[in-house]
Amino acid sequence: LAKTTQPISMDSYEGQEVNITCSHNNIATNDYITWYQQFPSQGPRFIIQGYKTKVTNEVASLFIPADRKSSTLSLPRVSLSDTAVYYCLVGDKWGQGGKLIFGQGTELSVKP
Amino acid sequence: DSGVTQTPKHLITATGQRVTLRCSPRSGDLSVYWYQQSLDQGLQFLIQYYNGEERAKGNILERFSAQQFPDLHSELNLSSLELGDSALYFCASSPRVTSGRTDTQYFGPGTRLTVL
Repeated sequence: LAKTTQPISMDSYEGQEVNITCSHNNIATNDYITWYQQFPSQGPRFIIQGYKTKVTNEVASLFIPADRKSSTLSLPRVSLSDTAVYYCLVGDKWGQGGKLIFGQGTELSVKP
Repeated sequence: DSGVTQTPKHLITATGQRVTLRCSPRSGDLSVYWYQQSLDQGLQFLIQYYNGEERAKGNILERFSAQQFPDLHSELNLSSLELGDSALYFCASSPRVTSGRTDTQYFGPGTRLTVL
């Protein structure tokens, strides 16, 4: 599985847009990019997944450039409840005998 | 609520003991995964079962074992417990994989194990 690199921590204020960038230089052709969110003492929660260009859902957007060596999770107008750790994962076909390799994640702190 | 349930929520035991953690996956999900999260190691994959069979193994200690039963619930057995086994243990489940894309894993609330 491709190794990912993300900032260890980020600070933001309520109402701002937050962009968390993840580097994955060794991403393989079949790899998807997935982001999970984890609140303290809770299990990670799936946020968004993409392969290329842009993906948007009700929670976030995921921007993936053409070379796919990085990706950016965009959280619009964050609130205090978005304070959490965000993990970027890269891999393929995890369900078929794969496993999720979590890195350190990015600890996002949203302040009032 | 992810639909994955784990029991017990908290478990306090002594070194050398054995415990069993239980996980019920989301209805219809065939895959169950176990993860360990400690302060110094982060979130670590332990083992995966798919429809009753072991499918993938991570850095699971020999003192640990797991199984998935015909009704698809899973149990993680931890024996000869050490202080360092104190951690949050998460179970996750995912549906049958459809070709071409990766599975989303749905995590349970976790079991907090404290070894004294």
